[in-house]
Amino acid sequence: EPEVTQTPSHQVTQMGQEVILRCVPISNHLYFYWYRQILGQKVEFLVSFYNNEISEKSEIFDDQFSVERPDGSNFTLKIRSTKLEDSAMYFCASSRDIGNQPQHFGDGTRLSIL
Amino acid sequence: GENVEQHPSTLSVQEGDSAVIKCTYSDSASNYFPWYKQELGKRPQLIIDIRSNVGEKKDQRIAVTLNKTAKHFSLHITETQPEDSAVYFCAASNQGGSEKLVFGKGMKLTVNP
Repeated sequence: EPEVTQTPSHQVTQMGQEVILRCVPISNHLYFYWYRQILGQKVEFLVSFYNNEISEKSEIFDDQFSVERPDGSNFTLKIRSTKLEDSAMYFCASSRDIGNQPQHFGDGTRLSIL
Repeated sequence: GENVEQHPSTLSVQEGDSAVIKCTYSDSASNYFPWYKQELGKRPQLIIDIRSNVGEKKDQRIAVTLNKTAKHFSLHITETQPEDSAVYFCAASNQGGSEKLVFGKGMKLTVNP
């Protein structure tokens, strides 16, 4: 069964540095998402991406964050000037299309900011 | 915006018992309600979903019910097994509108052999 894959599984970064989290969505999926989960809290929506542009973003997704689909397979989340509070599990998800389509999640990247 | 509340936060049952997880949502425009199971260190895995045009859906030992009037939906697991032990998340979205999933806080289910 096709899966969403994420790399790295764990990223440790000094505060103030930039990180790039990578995701390979399921190949025939068109709609992509990033979510994050701070330890012990809810999974929170960050951003959705469709047709090579952001379709929706949450208030968490400020100028510090950006997403990109640099080629036909990868979907990346960049976090600039990381802060301690950015430490969380970041999940990528994809769905086949919009409208009642299930979202499939990757294993996540655990981001630790020191 | 949408707010999803989930309870209880933890549940411990004996193998073979049933488990029920309840969620409420606030936005009457929400029309899609998936349930995810997350084992320790693994991805959230979609186990069942329900759309607002049906009231109940069943898949083997798992069933989900939806009450649109009361804005609540529940997951029922029958004949629980130790491998059902995990964290279960409910979520809601307005597919065709926002598409984003709004999650509950999750419930840790422990099935004791």
